[in-house]
Amino acid sequence: QQQVKQSPQSLIVQKGGISIINCAYENTAFDYFPWYQQFPGKGPALLIAIRPDVSEKKEGRFTISFNKSAKQFSLHIMDSQPGDSATYFCAASMTGGGADGLTFGKGTHLIIQP
Amino acid sequence: EPEVTQTPSHQVTQMGQEVILRCVPISNHLYFYWYRQILGQKVEFLVSFYNNEISEKSEIFDDQFSVERPDGSNFTLKIRSTKLEDSAMYFCASSVEGSHGYTFGSGTRLTVV
Repeated sequence: QQQVKQSPQSLIVQKGGISIINCAYENTAFDYFPWYQQFPGKGPALLIAIRPDVSEKKEGRFTISFNKSAKQFSLHIMDSQPGDSATYFCAASMTGGGADGLTFGKGTHLIIQP
Repeated sequence: EPEVTQTPSHQVTQMGQEVILRCVPISNHLYFYWYRQILGQKVEFLVSFYNNEISEKSEIFDDQFSVERPDGSNFTLKIRSTKLEDSAMYFCASSVEGSHGYTFGSGTRLTVV
């Protein structure tokens, strides 16, 4: 019930295209859903996050879409660029104001072809 | 921009030896975490630390693991008797307000031989 399932495992997109990564969760107590970007040899870096009280959040070329009833959320990268090539992780946590750990998905290796 | 600093970047140790991984969180952060990532796999939560005590720990964080904030700036993860399966990238993270807005360090790659 703690799992976050992420797909696809790998994704190749042409420069300028839209990259879409999907995640699904089971635990309805999760109420914070961040996406992290990780480059080789680096730690994950927070990209964008959403709470279940909104269905969409946009920051620049990055958009999270959230479907509470389906318990799914997705990351859309518009106008994908070669510099976006990285591994992307979705995650979820129960905030509750405490030091809750994040449950990560297995990651998506994204390659943007020039 | 403030960073979470981890040392060493790479540590090789023999099975059964003790290792201490070190982290300097961002100075005004209150919550501290350790995660690990086995090569090619997902990032897994180990432990969170707040107000000088463990707040939450996962099943992975057994009696072989311990954490400490010895001097108000460093945050350490100790593995008492390393096993081959402890080989992984270990990430320290800190945040101001719980699980929101983590900043991760660049990690320590631990190789147990």
